[in-house]
Amino acid sequence: NAGVTQTPKFQVLKTGQSMTLQCAQDMNHEYMSWYRQDPGMGLRLIHYSVGAGITDQGEVPNGYNVSRSTTEDFPLRLLSAAPSQTSVYFCASRRDFEAFFGQGTRLTVV
Amino acid sequence: DAKTTQPTSMDCAEGRAANLPCNHSTISGNEYVYWYRQIHSQGPQYIIHGLKNNETNEMASLIITEDRKSSTLILPHATLRDTAVYYCIVRIANFGNEKLTFGTGTRLTIIP
Repeated sequence: NAGVTQTPKFQVLKTGQSMTLQCAQDMNHEYMSWYRQDPGMGLRLIHYSVGAGITDQGEVPNGYNVSRSTTEDFPLRLLSAAPSQTSVYFCASRRDFEAFFGQGTRLTVV
Repeated sequence: DAKTTQPTSMDCAEGRAANLPCNHSTISGNEYVYWYRQIHSQGPQYIIHGLKNNETNEMASLIITEDRKSSTLILPHATLRDTAVYYCIVRIANFGNEKLTFGTGTRLTIIP
């Protein structure tokens, strides 16, 4: 049981490039989310999903796309990376009251 | 979701109980109190949650005042591995609303 797995752990992008952050969970959780954390700040919700085929926006969705074709996977796509998207990204899945977080992807956009 | 107020930082001696307070004076009747922690730059870790009654699990105890306007997370025998940022979060258990508002939390340092 690996929990929530995020890949890659570190990534450097040039402005304008696109990429996909991967998130997979093996706990059969319906609810999954993406957050970003900027230095000295709490986490902010980007997008979330309540089940396969269903996604919705969080509080900071601009510049990001998501899809949920399976229960296990919830990738986050950066369409055209900007320096303002430099951050640490966390994926989470939830069972009842408890959310499980991945170890994060540290993204730098130069 | 109700706003929470936590001290910015706290120290606690190793082996002693760490008591982390949280004010949530605008909490409504259907809102739960959750605690998470984040060790260094790892992903947040769930600790405990409660509605009205005090709760205890293998990690911690949660004491909620009778008027529910504040709560205290208690780590009974703090170790160096408990050094982390602790987040108090208040939200309804609305499955489908995934937003956890983390705020800036309390930075707890366990002193050897």
